[in-house]
Amino acid sequence: DVKVTQSSRYLVKRTGEKVFLECVQDMDHENMFWYRQDPGLGLRLIYFSYDVKMKEKGDIPEGYSVSREKKERFSLILESASTNQTSMYLCASSPQTGFRNQPQHFGDGTRLSIL
Amino acid sequence: AQTVTQSQPEMSVQEAETVTLSCTYDTSESDYYLFWYKQPPSRQMILVIRQEAYKQQNATENRFSVNFQKAAKSFSLKISDSQLGDAAMYFCAYNTYGGATNKLIFGTGTLLAVQP
Repeated sequence: DVKVTQSSRYLVKRTGEKVFLECVQDMDHENMFWYRQDPGLGLRLIYFSYDVKMKEKGDIPEGYSVSREKKERFSLILESASTNQTSMYLCASSPQTGFRNQPQHFGDGTRLSIL
Repeated sequence: AQTVTQSQPEMSVQEAETVTLSCTYDTSESDYYLFWYKQPPSRQMILVIRQEAYKQQNATENRFSVNFQKAAKSFSLKISDSQLGDAAMYFCAYNTYGGATNKLIFGTGTLLAVQP
């Protein structure tokens, strides 16, 4: 089974801090994704990566950056955390097969609170 | 751009009964995939079922089945013989091509409660 591991389930940070959320997958997937999940808004894509060092903006990239130095690891960075970034963050991965039937595999999520 | 709409924020069903969750989408593509994901209180999203747009036959996975109406752009999920473990948030998702790879567009979710 695919395992997507997010480093923290709960995280509390202060406004202005630089915050790192880490995600690791063990299935050699090319694609990795970061979403935020908010009540009534569903999942919104922040950034995704289709290869090492390659990244693309999703629908809501403002205030975030990402890093993918190794294939198995995809980091989400909040450069200067703000209270409106309090949310649930989900990481996912999928293989790059060229077919659109491949589902994404998700981690357990990180509930981030910015005080 | 594709959009996915789930018009039922919350649903409730009695144990052993059947419930249908609605999903509509908008697209100009003719070939695509649709997914239903389940997010239980433990939080990990898991795939429930997937449907290829060019297949006329509705997908089925044990107690879960879909009613796919391509012309109406409707993709509802039917859960038969509901169990307490089915209580979760359910998300409908459309697989689109994001330029470099495939990516999912999610609906806002339906929270399903199962009453004993």
